[in-house]
Amino acid sequence: DAGITQSPRYKITETGRQVTLMCHQTWSHSYMFWYRQDLGHGLRLIYYSAAADITDKGEVPDGYVVSRSKTENFPLTLESATRSQTSVYFCASAGQDGNTIYFGEGSWLTVV
Amino acid sequence: GESVGLHLPTLSVQEGDNSIINCAYSNSASDYFIWYKQESGKGPQFIIDIRSNMDKRQGQRVTVLLNKTVKHLSLQIAATQPGDSAVYFCAENIGGGGADGLTFGKGTHLIIQP
Repeated sequence: DAGITQSPRYKITETGRQVTLMCHQTWSHSYMFWYRQDLGHGLRLIYYSAAADITDKGEVPDGYVVSRSKTENFPLTLESATRSQTSVYFCASAGQDGNTIYFGEGSWLTVV
Repeated sequence: GESVGLHLPTLSVQEGDNSIINCAYSNSASDYFIWYKQESGKGPQFIIDIRSNMDKRQGQRVTVLLNKTVKHLSLQIAATQPGDSAVYFCAENIGGGGADGLTFGKGTHLIIQP
């Protein structure tokens, strides 16, 4: 369904470039998350946000920046992309209890 | 932190048979568990959840069983169909607040044989 939309869905960028992945949710969920998914590692939490203007680091935050000026948007920025950041990135959101997380369709990022 | 693991990376079943996907967790403080289904090229999709005060919960063609004594979670899919082919993840949430999101297992790839 279109509750969470991510853009771009596919991106190829060069090492050292800045890249921003966008995430928009229409459910007015309090919580939003960014995960990356890599073979052998499963889903790993990069950053999360409990509400607008509140963000916290997850398991693998280095090299990433997030912001949450509006409840519905949670962009993820790679300030200087590296090849190790080639991955599939999933944005997700959850309601007030933060328990049940709903995922977007993913953004495939390749850094060359 | 402690992580959720899966017993088998790949499970192959005949169409129409029942399938059981297992998951072991190690954190006794976990109080909420979710099963997700991820089809190729898509994001994880919520299937069913269960709280630690329950030992069984049923959905449409799916049942989740929780055995807190041995820290084991399973997902049963009845009368499997080709559309059930996917990777299935179990996930746990510790302590209710959800602020840190979920801890995910690596996934089991379910293959439905015609």
